[in-house]
Amino acid sequence: EPEVTQTPSHQVTQMGQEVILRCVPISNHLYFYWYRQILGQKVEFLVSFYNNEISEKSEIFDDQFSVERPDGSNFTLKIRSTKLEDSAMYFCASSVGGWTGELFFGEGSRLTVL
Amino acid sequence: RKEVEQDPGPFNVPEGATVAFNCTYSNSASQSFFWYRQDCRKEPKLLMSVYSSGNEDGRFTAQLNRASQYISLLIRDSKLSDSATYLCVVNDSNYQLIWGAGTKLIIKP
Repeated sequence: EPEVTQTPSHQVTQMGQEVILRCVPISNHLYFYWYRQILGQKVEFLVSFYNNEISEKSEIFDDQFSVERPDGSNFTLKIRSTKLEDSAMYFCASSVGGWTGELFFGEGSRLTVL
Repeated sequence: RKEVEQDPGPFNVPEGATVAFNCTYSNSASQSFFWYRQDCRKEPKLLMSVYSSGNEDGRFTAQLNRASQYISLLIRDSKLSDSATYLCVVNDSNYQLIWGAGTKLIIKP
């Protein structure tokens, strides 16, 4: 069964460092997303991406964040200068269409900022 | 303000019992509705879409009440493996997904 894969599964970094989280969406999906979930809290939308550009972003997705699809398979989330409050689980998801709520999630990348 | 509200629980239910919980949404123009399941420290997984006519998948039944603006999830003959957090997701009129904070369900032997 096709799945969304994410790397790394866990990353520990120092405050102020840059972090890149990687995702390989399901191959025939056209829409890609990043969500985050702080431990014990709700799933929060960060950004959606379609046709090589951002289609929606939340207020969490400020100038410290960027996304890229560098090679047609990977979909990356970069946090330029991490803060303590960026510590969370980051989930990548993909979907066939952008109107659907039927998302397929990766297992997540846990980011710990010290 | 876009809102999706859920009772956080936990709902403590004996194995084999039936349990139901609701999710209310504030935007009457919302287009589509979904239930996701999330196990502890895992990713959300789509459980079922919720259709206007309601739908059933095995032990799970989802209903939509547009007049009162809520969706429900009913689990019959609950299993230990049903223990999870159930997330309500609403696709609003702008095709943005609004996520509820989830209802935690604990099935006890």
